[in-house]
Amino acid sequence: DTGVSQNPRHKITKRGQNVTFRCDPISEHNRLYWYRQTLGQGPEFLTYFQNEAQLEKSRLLSDRFSAERPKGSFSTLEIQRTEQGDSAMYLCASSSRAGLAGEHTGELFFGEGSRLTVL
Amino acid sequence: AQSVTQLDSQVPVFEEAPVELRCNYSSSVSVYLFWYVQYPNQGLQLLLKYLSGSTLVKGINGFEAEFNKSQTSFHLRKPSVHISDTAEYFCAVSLNFGNEKLTFGTGTRLTIIP
Repeated sequence: DTGVSQNPRHKITKRGQNVTFRCDPISEHNRLYWYRQTLGQGPEFLTYFQNEAQLEKSRLLSDRFSAERPKGSFSTLEIQRTEQGDSAMYLCASSSRAGLAGEHTGELFFGEGSRLTVL
Repeated sequence: AQSVTQLDSQVPVFEEAPVELRCNYSSSVSVYLFWYVQYPNQGLQLLLKYLSGSTLVKGINGFEAEFNKSQTSFHLRKPSVHISDTAEYFCAVSLNFGNEKLTFGTGTRLTIIP
């Protein structure tokens, strides 16, 4: 178990460019989450996958943002036409479904995050 | 919808002194409650959680928290802090069914004074 891995750890880009972040969850985890954290704030939910299906998206996820998890393993988060307001830490987390009735264990395992700076 | 309030953005505490970090939540349905810790340049790590049962829950590194339903609180405590406890602490809630989507508070930065 190597934990949740995120790449790149840091990205500096100019306004208007596209960026892509990758998340590799813990191997047996079928649930994957993306969060965004800005300075002085707690993480905010962006989107959630169960296996390859994207089951929930936040209103924070504008049409410039797209997330995929094509084979139910790693996930990518792409931001098109970046804006300065997109500067933040993007966090990925994973979990495993615990019960047949839909209950969960309550714990998310977070990666170290990908910090985006838009100039 | 659920919400979490952490009124103290920064808490300075002398080493070996006790500490309490406050968390209040709002929800119209039953929730699970969590405290996560974020050490400098590291990812979020689960400190402890309340799912059901005893309202006093113990976590890692000597921390504990008490769920108080009537006051909708889940305050975090440690009887004696160490320099290594310097970190950002986040309180969070999730629904007790479905997925683990967390709603976080704004965090409390705990600074230990030698």
